Amino acid sequence: AQSVTQLDSQVPVFEEAPVELRCNYSSSVSVYLFWYVQYPNQGLQLLLKYLSGSTLVKGINGFEAEFNKSQTSFHLRKPSVHISDTAEYFCAVSGQLGGSYIPTFGRGTSLIVHP
Amino acid sequence: DGGITQSPKYLFRKEGQNVTLSCEQNLNHDAMYWYRQDPGQGLRLIYYSQIVNDFQKGDIAEGYSVSREKKESFPLTVTSAQKNPTAFYLCASKGNTEAFFGQGTRLTVV
Repeated sequence: AQSVTQLDSQVPVFEEAPVELRCNYSSSVSVYLFWYVQYPNQGLQLLLKYLSGSTLVKGINGFEAEFNKSQTSFHLRKPSVHISDTAEYFCAVSGQLGGSYIPTFGRGTSLIVHP
Repeated sequence: DGGITQSPKYLFRKEGQNVTLSCEQNLNHDAMYWYRQDPGQGLRLIYYSQIVNDFQKGDIAEGYSVSREKKESFPLTVTSAQKNPTAFYLCASKGNTEAFFGQGTRLTVV
């Protein structure tokens, strides 16, 4: 079985401040890790992904995430946020279960950027 | 452009009615998924299909049905047996690594 825990349901931050959204996962098999962003009444858009190799991955819109195998974490960071970053963020894991890679999502973190 | 198309964007259903949500993809992906999204609960897997003419129940399949007669299409039917169908429904397909999502269908029971 695999699962994802997003430790914060809501993260308020002021514009131009740094932000970290936390994600921990559990899985009995090797996994791929993802962060998605969702704007109101829209689908999910991929921000970045970790498949293998370098543990620091860079994505779109200035976001980056670091894979930490020993802590089973994949935290998302941005050094300076903008008002337009206000959205829902989902961490996801995709591992092999019964021969199928089925994406499992966390409950989401609402990032609220204040002016 | 390649992508996933969900229709309609908004759907209203009377109690006791079945409704079908459409999902079409032109990404040539074998795997397709249906998720339900409720506030504060993230995405929960309803059904998934790894190949044409085959599909499996997810975590919350009760009250839903699907078919996969074509690679491009994976429609979801919300039946009258689903007691709380009001939600945002997301369809996705997956290639080698990440999932790609449609824009969602918001279903409301009136």
